Amino acid sequence: DTAVSQTPKYLVTQMGNDKSIKCEQNLGHDTMYWYKQDSKKFLKIMFSYNNKELIINETVPNRFSPKSPDKAHLNLHINSLELGDSAVYFCASSQSGSGNTIYFGEGSWLTVV
Amino acid sequence: SQQGEEDPQALSIQEGENATMNCSYKTSINNLQWYRQNSGRGLVHLILIRSNEREKHSGRLRVTLDTSKKSSSLLITASRAADTASYFCATDAYNQGGKLIFGQGTELSVKP
Repeated sequence: DTAVSQTPKYLVTQMGNDKSIKCEQNLGHDTMYWYKQDSKKFLKIMFSYNNKELIINETVPNRFSPKSPDKAHLNLHINSLELGDSAVYFCASSQSGSGNTIYFGEGSWLTVV
Repeated sequence: SQQGEEDPQALSIQEGENATMNCSYKTSINNLQWYRQNSGRGLVHLILIRSNEREKHSGRLRVTLDTSKKSSSLLITASRAADTASYFCATDAYNQGGKLIFGQGTELSVKP
């Protein structure tokens, strides 16, 4: 009965590789997000999709490409991984509009070596 | 730009004591939310306070909001070891389409 699930939970990869993180929510929400949490626990929004349409793109390098095949899924593909991409990536979802609770996945720990 | 900043960055208390965490922000908001993150886990929503509210309670949690000072506080009363976690405030600013901006969090350690 997981609400927001993302895979993989842990990912260790070499610089220059391409990797994807998948996310699915079964809450019936119409908005999904990707957040990045750095080593200092600073949580920064990367992307937001509403009904499969991109609505927020926070000056993320274009090596990061989100894809939303339907409103229950938002995957994150990262090309040419760099050391600085090492972080925890959180998928989340909510109903659209102000004042709605955001539900987070458990995070994907990405380590680039 | 980062909206919420929390204070203190780390707080260590004994079980049974109260814990107070503060959050300051820069622009006008629709609402402010508090989230909790256990080590190695995702964030969990605790409480939302709207810009026209001054105080809100949920169980052992009490949140205040002072829009004139652009600040909020989260009080956890009678803390327990299980309250050990990081606590984040998140602001929903005007004209931002519901986007939440998170602070850097307060790391709370409750010692048994």
